[in-house]
Amino acid sequence: EPEVTQTPSHQVTQMGQEVILRCVPISNHLYFYWYRQILGQKVEFLVSFYNNEISEKSEIFDDQFSVERPDGSNFTLKIRSTKLEDSAMYFCASSVSFYEQYFGPGTRLTVT
Amino acid sequence: QQQVKQSPQSLIVQKGGISIINCAYENTAFDYFPWYQQFPGKGPALLIAIRPDVSEKKEGRFTISFNKSAKQFSLHIMDSQPGDSATYFCAGLKAAGNKLTFGGGTRVLVKP
Repeated sequence: EPEVTQTPSHQVTQMGQEVILRCVPISNHLYFYWYRQILGQKVEFLVSFYNNEISEKSEIFDDQFSVERPDGSNFTLKIRSTKLEDSAMYFCASSVSFYEQYFGPGTRLTVT
Repeated sequence: QQQVKQSPQSLIVQKGGISIINCAYENTAFDYFPWYQQFPGKGPALLIAIRPDVSEKKEGRFTISFNKSAKQFSLHIMDSQPGDSATYFCAGLKAAGNKLTFGGGTRVLVKP
């Protein structure tokens, strides 16, 4: 069964450093997303992406965040200058249509 | 801002019992209502979903009941099994932007 994959599984970085989280969506999917989950809290929407453009972004997704689909298979989330409060689990998701979003296993980001 | 409120926060049920999780939403802009199951260290997995023009949907031991006028929906897990022990999230999807808004989650523990 096709799955969304994410790398790395765990990333530790120092405050102020740039990080890039990588995702490989399910191959025939057209819509891509990033969500985050701070430990013990609910999953929060960051951004949706379709046809090489951002469809919608949340207020969390400020100028420090960017997304890119650099080739036909990868989808990345970049945080330019990480803050302590960016520590969370980041989930990539993809969908073939509006409705059924499939999530990857997540990247745990720890900012020290 | 669209909100989805979920209750209870945690639930303990005996094997073979019924687990019931309730959600309420505050905005009519949602087009789709999925439920996700999350095991520790994993990403949310789509479990079952319903459109707002349907009052009930059943898949195996999982049933969603939907009350559009009350803006409430619930998940029933029949014949609960220890393997059902997980955190369950309800969500609302706004098709414009494909944004999922999650509830706070319910941690379900099924005792053998």
